[in-house]
Amino acid sequence: DGGITQSPKYLFRKEGQNVTLSCEQNLNHDAMYWYRQDPGQGLRLIYYSQIVNDFQKGDIAEGYSVSREKKESFPLTVTSAQKNPTAFYLCASSIAGAGSYEQYFGPGTRLTVT
Amino acid sequence: QKEVEQNSGPLSVPEGAIASLNCTYSDRGSQSFFWYRQYSGKSPELIMFIYSNGDKEDGRFTAQLNKASQYVSLLIRDSQPSDSATYLCIIQGAQKLVFGQGTRLTINP
Repeated sequence: DGGITQSPKYLFRKEGQNVTLSCEQNLNHDAMYWYRQDPGQGLRLIYYSQIVNDFQKGDIAEGYSVSREKKESFPLTVTSAQKNPTAFYLCASSIAGAGSYEQYFGPGTRLTVT
Repeated sequence: QKEVEQNSGPLSVPEGAIASLNCTYSDRGSQSFFWYRQYSGKSPELIMFIYSNGDKEDGRFTAQLNKASQYVSLLIRDSQPSDSATYLCIIQGAQKLVFGQGTRLTINP
């Protein structure tokens, strides 16, 4: 069964703690993305990666970090430097990063920081 | 001017009618246009994509692209209550992918 998975579905953390969100895909896609969605808002790009061991900042990268050590995996760390981390986080992948290909989204992780 | 503009709605349509969702964009170099549907609390799923001017039909859905006027539309015929969702317009510009904020559509039985 091909797809993209995110875990956990819900995550609760105390302010000041770093937290890592998992994203795995078995679609053999080269490109992977992390988005943030706030209530009633569209998607905002945090980071993206077009190949292993390479990634680029998106529009709202401050307070976040990523790694891409394997093609299948693109974890996102929300650091204590992120001022307003509570949001719905979506991971996506596509065949290539040129944007002409559709993106497949994972089920999302809802992070609540108190 | 925003890169992509969608009416946030809510757009209310009676069951069986045609729902019309619109998206305007500012980058004339935009190449690929995607419509995604997102149910509340869920992740977006692709409904349609279109690259060329004109209409593209898939079942009850029709995407319309007019590059000269810089808009892309999604028509949903014979609207069903299950079509109630937020519809996101995503556009591949000359340099990057840009996102509309989404239009919330409600189909009334």
